[in-house]
Amino acid sequence: QVQLHESGPGLVKPSETLSLTCTVSGDSSSRNYWSWIRQPPGKGLEWIGYIDYSGSTNYNPSLKSRINISMDMSKKQFSLNLRSVTAADTAVYYCASEGVFGEAVAFDSWGQGTLVTVSS
Amino acid sequence: QSALTQPASVSGSPGQSITISCTGTSSDVGRYNFVSWYQQHPGKAPKLMIYGVSNRPSGVSYRFSGSKSGNTASLTISGLQADDEADYYCSSYTSATWVFGGGTMLTVL
Repeated sequence: QVQLHESGPGLVKPSETLSLTCTVSGDSSSRNYWSWIRQPPGKGLEWIGYIDYSGSTNYNPSLKSRINISMDMSKKQFSLNLRSVTAADTAVYYCASEGVFGEAVAFDSWGQGTLVTVSS
Repeated sequence: QSALTQPASVSGSPGQSITISCTGTSSDVGRYNFVSWYQQHPGKAPKLMIYGVSNRPSGVSYRFSGSKSGNTASLTISGLQADDEADYYCSSYTSATWVFGGGTMLTVL
């Protein structure tokens, strides 16, 4: 497994851009996909999107118009930018990595999560 | 991309077994064997409990098992223990994206 740690502002103003970074430690050589997942207070998990080892991305269709995920693996980091935020974007944001188990994949490594509140 | 459907809550007494269902569609749960289950204790990150429908990662108790029939996956926990009390989420791969269930709160009576 790898260890993941999210960092970034805990408070963002409405209409501004939420920016978070996930720092990876440990052996990431077998990891191909790096995801962001969020959880509004008291609610369920929502997959935001991923970036793969080649830099290709795929996003949740409901958020696609506002998201950009990038990476700098020389620094062992990947990042999330979410534009034009509203109160509905208030959530704990997790970064996560897919482990490969034979022919199956699943999120076996998670960061501890960081709460981002959207408020003026 | 709609969330998978889970019961909001289930409960059981210590030592009993419970099953949590996760209903999707023929585009996600029914199409792929990439169904996984996560346990989340309050204030903690989710923990992988089942991958590939029915497989346990190293370190996860044999009391946790998974299955799938058609568009519905299930998580069964046998021999309930107090520490099993948590929220449980299913997840499925679908067309290069992932979708989660709404979550089920398990109460150990």
